[in-house]
Amino acid sequence: KAGVTQTPRYLIKTRGQQVTLSCSPISGHRSVSWYQQTPGQGLQFLFEYFSETQRNKGNFPGRFSGRQFSNSRSEMNVSTLELGDSALYLCASSPDRNYGYTFGSGTRLTVV
Amino acid sequence: GQQLNQSPQSMFIQEGEDVSMNCTSSSIFNTWLWYKQDPGEGPVLLIALYKAGELTSNGRLTAQFGITRKDSFLNISASIPSDVGIYFCAGQRPPGGSNYKLTFGKGTLLTVNP
Repeated sequence: KAGVTQTPRYLIKTRGQQVTLSCSPISGHRSVSWYQQTPGQGLQFLFEYFSETQRNKGNFPGRFSGRQFSNSRSEMNVSTLELGDSALYLCASSPDRNYGYTFGSGTRLTVV
Repeated sequence: GQQLNQSPQSMFIQEGEDVSMNCTSSSIFNTWLWYKQDPGEGPVLLIALYKAGELTSNGRLTAQFGITRKDSFLNISASIPSDVGIYFCAGQRPPGGSNYKLTFGKGTLLTVNP
């Protein structure tokens, strides 16, 4: 059974650019969440999607957005990148939100 | 907002020793989770706890969901070098709300000396 797949694994972008990260959840999982991990702030919740609807959103600026497709795959987008957006972005999926989430290996974003 | 206090921040132990770490919260949760993260990888779920007072084991790992729902601990027995990593606690689904996000502790860095 394939795990949560995130692409790309590594990304280097310039300030002001935008970026789109992709997440393919475990087959059959309908809930997908995104987290940002930095040394200073730890793991911070970005947003959660369930059946193509954003159900919860963390305390991040509007530059951070996401969506979920009918096959449960999800993308997150960050516009007008800032240096502080450099982080490991993790996607996690769960069958129905009530169980522990399975994480992908993450996308390491570096903004220069 | 909700915060989880995880302790200790780091531990340096000898192979074969037992390890204990815990998390406390100012709010109650309906689910407690323990994850381990290796460098360059995402967190891997070790144990999930869904009921207050629940004690669950996974091999050499044992975790408990505190009776007050505001705390949880993780024990690792007879540590081995591959136990090295960062261990995170996470609380989920505070009662009365629809927020299913995971609130994470800051992590415990475990180093095992062979």
